[in-house]
Parts: sequence; structure tokens; C-alpha cells
Amino acid sequence: ETGVTQTPRHLVMGMTNKKSLKCEQHLGHNAMYWYKQSAKKPLELMFVYSLEERVENNSVPSRFSPECPNSSHLFLHLHTLQPEDSALYLCASSQSQGNTGELFFGEGSRLTVL
Amino acid sequence: QQPVQSPQAVILREGEDAVINCSSSKALYSVHWYRQKHGEAPVFLMILLKGGEQKGHDKISASFNEKKQQSSLYLTASQLSYSGTYFCGTEDPGNQFYFGTGTSLTVIP
Repeated sequence: ETGVTQTPRHLVMGMTNKKSLKCEQHLGHNAMYWYKQSAKKPLELMFVYSLEERVENNSVPSRFSPECPNSSHLFLHLHTLQPEDSALYLCASSQSQGNTGELFFGEGSRLTVL
Repeated sequence: QQPVQSPQAVILREGEDAVINCSSSKALYSVHWYRQKHGEAPVFLMILLKGGEQKGHDKISASFNEKKQQSSLYLTASQLSYSGTYFCGTEDPGNQFYFGTGTSLTVIP
């Protein structure tokens, strides 16, 4: 139990589907992150939210749309994805966004796009 | 911009030692180390903030050579539980943070 919970753990979707990934943190942290982990690649930062405001978007395609309604919840909305988007999507949180401290990761959502 | 780790993979017998290196092409503010076991979330091991700093926990320790823009993770007398993928993360003075390429470590009996 890391204090960061992600659902669903596994998701299979077609290229025309719309789905969402959910992340919840119970640690009282102010910053939340979405990372993409593909086989044999480094963890790639997708989005960063600090105090519910997006502070970083690393040129992620618009078919990924994040939402942070409050400091405890983070969503990643998915639509018209491509097979190459199949990966493990990891959510993380930290006390604050600047001077990156310890990141607490969820166990990830394994996405397969058919 | 992403730090490069070496080796990419290593297999050890229980009780053997290993060193994992992390090199950056940019000046560094801090270096972080994480371990991810198969099917689990990455877990924070330690952070090094100052050049020359060394830290350790149990039989896992790390050093940070600020001048060389490098960090090394030392695993001493490895245990089966050390198996996993180790990632370094580097932060530059502008707070840009990148994870390394990862090192797969397998400890066998």
C-alpha cells in the first residue's frame, strides 16, 4: 500500500473507444504526475499538476487529456488511441512540485489498445 | 537529457556485490534512486543532494559525484529480494527531472 491508488489496473480498448484512468492519493500531497512506462524505455513524464493546476505538459498528443479536480484525484481521459499507446501508465504524487522530492507511485494501469 | 544507466542488465548470485552507474550530460542538482519489482510500483530508495554525498540503507548505498555528473548505486551481499529494475532520476538546477534508462538486476540462489 503506497498511498496512491490507480484504477483500473488493466484496460483493453479499441482505437475508437473513450475511457478514463483514475488516480487517488491519500498522502496529503500537493503535486500529482502521470508517467508512461513502455517496454525497454525510460519512464516518460506526461503531465504534472501542482495544487490542481497543470504546470507541465511534455508535448503529449491531445488524445490524452488530464483532469485534476482536487489535490487528491487525477484522471487521464483517453480517446482515439493508437496501438503504440499501449503501455503501463503510472500515477505518482509528491509533497510539492519544485525541487522534486520523493515520488510515491501507484501500481499502474496496464493499457492495451487494439 | 535522460541520464544513461549502466549496465542495462546484471545477474548475480546471492551474496555477490553489484554497482549500477548513472551518468548525465547536464549539471545536476540531485540524484534519486528507485527500484521497481516486476508488476509493482517503483519505490523510492534514496535521494542525494550534494556532490560527494553518500547515503546508505542496510546494504544498499549510493554516491554522487557532482563534478562528473554521475551517481553510483552499490548493492552489497545481494539478497533475492534485491531483484528488480533500478532507475536513477536526475534533477537539474532548473528542476527538470528525468528518469534513467533502467538497470535490470536479477539475483539467483
